[in-house]
Amino acid sequence: EPEVTQTPSHQVTQMGQEVILRCVPISNHLYFYWYRQILGQKVEFLVSFYNNEISEKSEIFDDQFSVERPDGSNFTLKIRSTKLEDSAMYFCASRLGTSGGDTQYFGPGTRLTVL
Amino acid sequence: DAKTTQPNSMESNEEEPVHLPCNHSTISGTDYIHWYRQLPSQGPEYVIHGLTSNVNNRMASLAIAEDRKSSTLILHRATLRDAAVYYCILRSPLGNRDDKIIFGKGTRLHILP
Repeated sequence: EPEVTQTPSHQVTQMGQEVILRCVPISNHLYFYWYRQILGQKVEFLVSFYNNEISEKSEIFDDQFSVERPDGSNFTLKIRSTKLEDSAMYFCASRLGTSGGDTQYFGPGTRLTVL
Repeated sequence: DAKTTQPNSMESNEEEPVHLPCNHSTISGTDYIHWYRQLPSQGPEYVIHGLTSNVNNRMASLAIAEDRKSSTLILHRATLRDAAVYYCILRSPLGNRDDKIIFGKGTRLHILP
């Protein structure tokens, strides 16, 4: 069964450093998402992406964040200058189409630890 | 997304059925009812969804009240692997705008061996 994959599974970085989290969505899907989950808290929406542009972003997704689909398969989340509070699980998701019945399929996540 | 209300936690014995309730009294006529779950240290996983009629799939059943103000996710025979946080979410069929999932706290399901 097709699945969303994410790399790395765990990323440790120093405060102020740039990180890039990578995702490979399901191959025929058109809509892509990033969510995050701080330890012990709810899963929070960050950004949605369709047709090579951001569809929607949350208040969390400030100028330090960016997303890109550099080729036909990868979808990346970049944090330019990490802060301690960016430590969280980051989940990528993808969705096939545009009906309310469509499902978002989530990857296993990348645990980001900022020291 | 309209608001849903779920119990914080529930407990069930292994190999017994589990009924996870969800109230959504402000549901609109076009909102779909989706259930996701999150196993420990994993990403959310789709379970089932429905609009008006009860639904069955290989993972679970979804029973929707006639007035659609509540629904129940039914795991017919719980296993230890079903221990997870279960999220009941209302989703609008509006296409690519406003299609983010807003997760609540969900119900943490504990399965006792």
